[in-house]
Amino acid sequence: DTGVSQNPRHKITKRGQNVTFRCDPISEHNRLYWYRQTLGQGPEFLTYFQNEAQLEKSRLLSDRFSAERPKGSFSTLEIQRTEQGDSAMYLCASRHSGAATYNEQFFGPGTRLTVL
Amino acid sequence: AQSVSQHNHHVILSEAASLELGCNYSYGGTVNLFWYVQYPGQHLQLLLKYFSGDPLVKGIKGFEAEFIKSKFSFNLRKPSVQWSDTAEYFCAVMVNYGGSQGNLIFGKGTKLSVKP
Repeated sequence: DTGVSQNPRHKITKRGQNVTFRCDPISEHNRLYWYRQTLGQGPEFLTYFQNEAQLEKSRLLSDRFSAERPKGSFSTLEIQRTEQGDSAMYLCASRHSGAATYNEQFFGPGTRLTVL
Repeated sequence: AQSVSQHNHHVILSEAASLELGCNYSYGGTVNLFWYVQYPGQHLQLLLKYFSGDPLVKGIKGFEAEFIKSKFSFNLRKPSVQWSDTAEYFCAVMVNYGGSQGNLIFGKGTKLSVKP
């Protein structure tokens, strides 16, 4: 499968614990995006990378959230001291940063986080 | 700030009925517009996209959308729906200014249920 993959697919944790999610983008895509989707809402942008550089963070991304993309390949999203409000689907997407024909973002299956 | 409005939260149709899902966006500049679909249990997939040129865009599975700049709209249409079109549909605008390159702003989604 050459699509975007995310692990784990589901994560249940207790409030206050730290969690980390992983995203593996399509190999030739240099841009990687993280979104969060809560029930009844569309995906909301969190942050994105061009290669290994994190170029923008949404105000939704509190200090408890951190994302990395070492070597411009896979990315991790960590949430520290989880809160019940963090329960959501976390989506990763990737795309090529070239000409318009490449501007489609390809989404992974998401990681569903439940904070008890 | 850019925003996307989808008028219908839940649409219920019988097979062979025609479909039109509304989408309006707020941004006065050049826009790139997308419709994504999420089938039950699957990840977001691109239905169609508009960047420039012919405002009537054809996508996969018989879907099309019309970009009407004067109305800030990008409505999705299909002349005859099938039970397999049951899914959630998201309209999205690509941000293309400043440092926010390529982020998508999504509407809240429209859930389509097609009765066999």
